Amino acid sequence: EDQVTQSPEALRLQEGESSSLNCSYTVSGLRGLFWYRQDPGKGPEFLFTLYSAGEEKEKERLKATLTKKESFLHITAPKPEDSATYLCAVPTTDSWGKLQFGAGTQVVVTP
Amino acid sequence: EAQVTQNPRYLITVTGKKLTVTCSQNMNHEYMSWYRQDPGLGLRQIYYSMNVEVTDKGDVPEGYKVSRKEKRNFPLILESPSPNQTSLYFCASGRAVGSSYEQYFGPGTRLTVT
Repeated sequence: EDQVTQSPEALRLQEGESSSLNCSYTVSGLRGLFWYRQDPGKGPEFLFTLYSAGEEKEKERLKATLTKKESFLHITAPKPEDSATYLCAVPTTDSWGKLQFGAGTQVVVTP
Repeated sequence: EAQVTQNPRYLITVTGKKLTVTCSQNMNHEYMSWYRQDPGLGLRQIYYSMNVEVTDKGDVPEGYKVSRKEKRNFPLILESPSPNQTSLYFCASGRAVGSSYEQYFGPGTRLTVT
């Protein structure tokens, strides 16, 4: 069965303390991997799509990387406004429409 | 402004009373989806649509119906809601361009079934 696993479940950081989140997947023939940010009670906000091993994408203090088995979301010198739940997702069929999400990593950045 | 809209945003109803949650997107996206999000269970896909009149089940389709008669709209229908359908629901729309894909979510609908 296809699985998407995120770790850690929760992460508490001091402002400026860089860290990484992990998303591992068992889907064969990966077509793409998505990262989202979600604030409490709101819809997930699209961050990145990665398509092939070795690819990297950056947005402000966030950098996503992809290997053949996992993806990392690096948060560099985080600020309190980076506090959110970060979700990853992969398509599980030939259709882009069917996505499986990981459970997410809840990040809290304290001043 | 490019967006996915859902209505209503909040809904409290009683068991068995049919309801529809509407979803609309103004980006001409071919893909649309419905998800539910529950504490401890994460985001789970209910149904998705690849284009007008083309829909397929996600991971948790039981108790839900959808239709895609127009490209911009993808309503979620609960024919006979039950308390276990109390949840936060999200609609999403996406587009594929070549080998790339992006998907955007609506603001959510919080449903309570008593």
